[in-house]
Amino acid sequence: ETGVTQSPTHLIKTRGQQVTLRCSSQSGHNTVSWYQQALGQGPQFIFQYYREEENGRGNFPPRFSGLQFPNYSSELNVNALELDDSALYLCASSFFSGGDLNEQFFGPGTRLTVL
Amino acid sequence: GESVGLHLPTLSVQEGDNSIINCAYSNSASDYFIWYKQESGKGPQFIIDIRSNMDKRQGQRVTVLLNKTVKHLSLQIAATQPGDSAVYFCAEIPGGSYIPTFGRGTSLIVHP
Repeated sequence: ETGVTQSPTHLIKTRGQQVTLRCSSQSGHNTVSWYQQALGQGPQFIFQYYREEENGRGNFPPRFSGLQFPNYSSELNVNALELDDSALYLCASSFFSGGDLNEQFFGPGTRLTVL
Repeated sequence: GESVGLHLPTLSVQEGDNSIINCAYSNSASDYFIWYKQESGKGPQFIIDIRSNMDKRQGQRVTVLLNKTVKHLSLQIAATQPGDSAVYFCAEIPGGSYIPTFGRGTSLIVHP
C-alpha cells in the first residue's frame, strides 16, 4: 500500500504566473482534499474532490481550481500567482462512503515560493 | 507588518515528563475533533480523535480531553520522548460537514 505522494517537492514561481501541483492518493481512497499552510499557521482548507467533482470549498478565490482524475489522483491549479500564495500546499486523501468521516492521510506537501 | 504568525506557542519539556497541549475551538456546532502531529518537512499525521458525545478518549500514550462548556480541547502525552518533538494541531469539524478547521498549532520541544 502506497501513501499519499505529491509533486513537485519545491517550486519557485513569479507573480502572475500559473502553477499546477499534483497529488496521488493512497491506494483505496476516493476523496482528495487540498490545504494551504502558511508559515507558522495551521492548514487552511481549499477544496475537496469526490468522484471527480468538487465536494466542498473553503474561502479561496476562483483562481484556485482543481481536478480529480478517474484514478482518484488530483491537481491543484493556481492562476495569476500572488506573493501571498507562497505556502506549503498539502494534499490529503481518504475513503468516503457517504457515512461517517474517515481518517485523512496527508502527503508531504509542495513548498511554493512566489517571487 | 509584524510577523506574529511565525512565532508558534511553544512547550518545552524534559524527556520522560508528561506534556499537555491545549486548544481553544471556536464553533459550538463542532462535534468532531482531531489532533494532528506535524514533523518538519512532513504533512500532518493523525494522532487521536474524539466526538462531542465524549469528554475523554485514550490512545497509546495519548489522551484527549474535551470540555464543551468552555470549548476547550487538550492533548496529554505521557512519558514524552524526543520523537514527540513536532508541531501539534487541533482541528474541529462541525456537524454535517467534512471540512476541518485547524488551530494555529503548538510547537513541542522535548529535551533529552
